[in-house]
Amino acid sequence: TQLLEQSPQFLSIQEGENLTVYCNSSSVFSSLQWYRQEPGEGPVLLVTVVTGGEVKKLKRLTFQFGDARKDSSLHITAAQPGDTGLYLCAASSGTALIFGKGTTLSVSS
Amino acid sequence: EAQVTQNPRYLITVTGKKLTVTCSQNMNHEYMSWYRQDPGLGLRQIYYSMNVEVTDKGDVPEGYKVSRKEKRNFPLILESPSPNQTSLYFCASSLGFRNTEAFFGQGTRLTVV
Repeated sequence: TQLLEQSPQFLSIQEGENLTVYCNSSSVFSSLQWYRQEPGEGPVLLVTVVTGGEVKKLKRLTFQFGDARKDSSLHITAAQPGDTGLYLCAASSGTALIFGKGTTLSVSS
Repeated sequence: EAQVTQNPRYLITVTGKKLTVTCSQNMNHEYMSWYRQDPGLGLRQIYYSMNVEVTDKGDVPEGYKVSRKEKRNFPLILESPSPNQTSLYFCASSLGFRNTEAFFGQGTRLTVV
């Protein structure tokens, strides 16, 4: 099974700080997705990146797909308490959608 | 409203008592799957289905069964639950398995005592 490794596992920051979380693999993927999961809910898709080197922005969130399509990063600018949650990267592996273990982000005011 | 509905949300049961967790989607999606989420282990796929009457094992299928008799429904069956199946379960559906958004249900918290 191909693995997606996410780092850091936990991140606790103050409101207004910037942060970056990473998703790495030794495998090449045709696309990679980022989901956010809030307590008591299922994951919700944030973005899909498809092209190597692609950068997508979603308000204060910036997603980048590595040139070799093996890794991705999520950068949050000026984090807010509403950004608190579990961030998961996911990719298609054969006929399955596999997930990294996630980064738990806590933003305090 | 497009949604994936799981029932029940919470379930406490005893070892060996058969149970079914239902999952229904209203988006006419072909691909459906079941995941379990455990601390430190993340989301792991149990079973998936690419269409009606087509199901296959994911990474952790032992102790589980599924069926896909209709496009909208994909129940998860535990014939003889054991305590190591205590977990948070999610059903998901999508148009396909590549480059498409997966829609998740709200989860079923299962405790087997």
